[in-house]
Amino acid sequence: QQPVQSPQAVILREGEDAVINCSSSKALYSVHWYRQKHGEAPVFLMILLKGGEQKGHDKISASFNEKKQQSSLYLTASQLSYSGTYFCGTQRGGGSQGNLIFGKGTKLSVKP
Amino acid sequence: GAVVSQHPSRVICKSGTSVKIECRSLDFQATTMFWYRQFPKQSLMLMATSNEGSKATYEQGVEKDKFLINHASLTLSTLTVTSAHPEDSSFYICSARDTINGYTFGSGTRLTVV
Repeated sequence: QQPVQSPQAVILREGEDAVINCSSSKALYSVHWYRQKHGEAPVFLMILLKGGEQKGHDKISASFNEKKQQSSLYLTASQLSYSGTYFCGTQRGGGSQGNLIFGKGTKLSVKP
Repeated sequence: GAVVSQHPSRVICKSGTSVKIECRSLDFQATTMFWYRQFPKQSLMLMATSNEGSKATYEQGVEKDKFLINHASLTLSTLTVTSAHPEDSSFYICSARDTINGYTFGSGTRLTVV
């Protein structure tokens, strides 16, 4: 089951904040967040395991609400380098065998 | 950090020929690797799960005879697109799970079939 991301696209001015949501209709083991620049492979941002986890580094953080089966990615004081398409990937099982299923992505454009 | 090397990065081939894409985990062992396909402006779609020493597991709708996967060692998985056609043109990406950073992706292969 592909997770649902919202919004599909967002345009920001430098310094503004954004929230990207990812929700699933099934129970989740983990949520992964990636950013992909045009023509490049996705770059890992962070992984959240079940249990109400929150993580962050620099001005990008995320939360995982296991009960609601959703995760949110928070981008604070956005920079031009934050532009790209953000994908959440969900994993329903643990261990190294789990398949990662990606949402359709959220295109973020940060303008000067 | 974990590095996954994928090549070639770009390949152009004639319709009807086969193309092999390699995916290597450089500094860790990956018993499982994953192959994705991404069409322009779309999400990454999981094609198959490659298991070292055993047959790959294909997602529904993916032709296993067309997309041959071999995972002969703990650091190498290959995807061969057989009898390629223009509709197979896409961005193919492999990934492997390391023990720390979740899934690490290769740099992708842009396949163009003419």
